[in-house]
Amino acid sequence: QSALTQPASVSGSPGQSITISCTGTSSDIGSYNYVSWYQQHPGKAPKLLICDVSNRPSGLSSRFSGSSGVSNRFSGSKSGNTASLTISGLQAEDEADYYCSSYTINSPVVFGGGTKLTVL
Amino acid sequence: ITLKESGPTLVKPTQTLTLTCTFSGFSLSTGGVAVGWIRQAPGKALEWLALIYWDDDKRYSPSLKSRLIITKDTSKDQVVLTMTNMDPVDTATYYCAHRLDGSGSDSFDYWGPGTLVSVSS
Repeated sequence: QSALTQPASVSGSPGQSITISCTGTSSDIGSYNYVSWYQQHPGKAPKLLICDVSNRPSGLSSRFSGSSGVSNRFSGSKSGNTASLTISGLQAEDEADYYCSSYTINSPVVFGGGTKLTVL
Repeated sequence: ITLKESGPTLVKPTQTLTLTCTFSGFSLSTGGVAVGWIRQAPGKALEWLALIYWDDDKRYSPSLKSRLIITKDTSKDQVVLTMTNMDPVDTATYYCAHRLDGSGSDSFDYWGPGTLVSVSS
């Protein structure tokens, strides 16, 4: 059982916006602004989309190329013990699994259970 | 930056697994740099295992801490993960990844392709 709870699946039509939630506790998301989001296509390694709740990594590391950077269609936010990833202008290529992660009081990294995004 | 995992594809139950991450494009002797290991059982979620920092600080997943050892060899640009007492439930793709510089999060911006390890007698 993952420490962070994500919906198993979400779906949306091309052009729409969708939001994926990631719920933790006061021992992780609620106390630290250290939430990250990853995208994973089948058979591929995960790709970092967001770090520190709402930062796209291409803006932090001068060496980050991250597979040609991260689109500004991806954005992150946090409220209380829940973090969210919003994808705007949904595209077919966004169909993938999405994982959140957070720093916790017991460990520097814990992942969520993952959310499968289907583009209708 | 590139990373690549190597090691056995099949281990027997109770055996010890040793995986090597060979990387290029950065040095683990540079301040702020870290390398982590993450695994993913077939059809399951990502699971963080361990992190080693440039100053040799090491962090482990609380649930697996007793079975894991992570070390680095800066002269070879390698990080080694050892996991003892392997069980069929440890069957997974094992990834090593570079920790993103300049952020507060221990997030991973570069990943190896992963190596599938099966545990079976």
